[in-house]
Amino acid sequence: AQTVTQSQPEMSVQEAETVTLSCTYDTSESDYYLFWYKQPPSRQMILVIRQEAYKQQNATENRFSVNFQKAAKSFSLKISDSQLGDAAMYFCAYRSAYLRGSQGNLIFGKGTKLSVKP
Amino acid sequence: GAGVSQSPSNKVTEKGKDVELRCDPISGHTALYWYRQSLGQGLEFLIYFQGNSAPDKSGLPSDRFSAERTGGSVSTLTIQRTQQEDSAVYLCASSGQWGTDTQYFGPGTRLTVL
Repeated sequence: AQTVTQSQPEMSVQEAETVTLSCTYDTSESDYYLFWYKQPPSRQMILVIRQEAYKQQNATENRFSVNFQKAAKSFSLKISDSQLGDAAMYFCAYRSAYLRGSQGNLIFGKGTKLSVKP
Repeated sequence: GAGVSQSPSNKVTEKGKDVELRCDPISGHTALYWYRQSLGQGLEFLIYFQGNSAPDKSGLPSDRFSAERTGGSVSTLTIQRTQQEDSAVYLCASSGQWGTDTQYFGPGTRLTVL
């Protein structure tokens, strides 16, 4: 079974600075997808960034980028020029690309609570 | 267009009562997922619907939990004889097709069982 581990329960960053959130995962599959979701106090889970395992190039979305190390099974999220609105819970998630049975559902880490100091 | 909607936003019930939670997916999305988010267990998959196929119920924690999806659109998650450990946020997500599409989440229903 696949697992996702986020080893940092809480992180803090100064406004305008850069912060990196860690995520590791365990799988025997070669094809899969990885995601970072943001959950502010409103509870709405918002997709931040997505990475296909077969792509070597790291995904980027404006101030958000990932460092995807497939061999190490590591998928960290870097937030540049942090803003007050970035404060939220961040969840790393895995989904298999092999569709059988319950495959297709997301497997989440426990989350990292990010605080942004003005 | 409109995102995933869920109702009610909050639900308080007494132990032993039945509750129904509703999810309205993004128009045109064929896949629908229910997840549960609790302090102790984090985010857990509950059930998955894909088009008109039989749902994958492998994540349901007990036979008190059931779900249906009418007309391939709106879904209802029913919890019978609620227990205090059912208190959690119930999240619904939809996607265009399984395998490649990203799942988009609704705002969730916070269920409190007294």
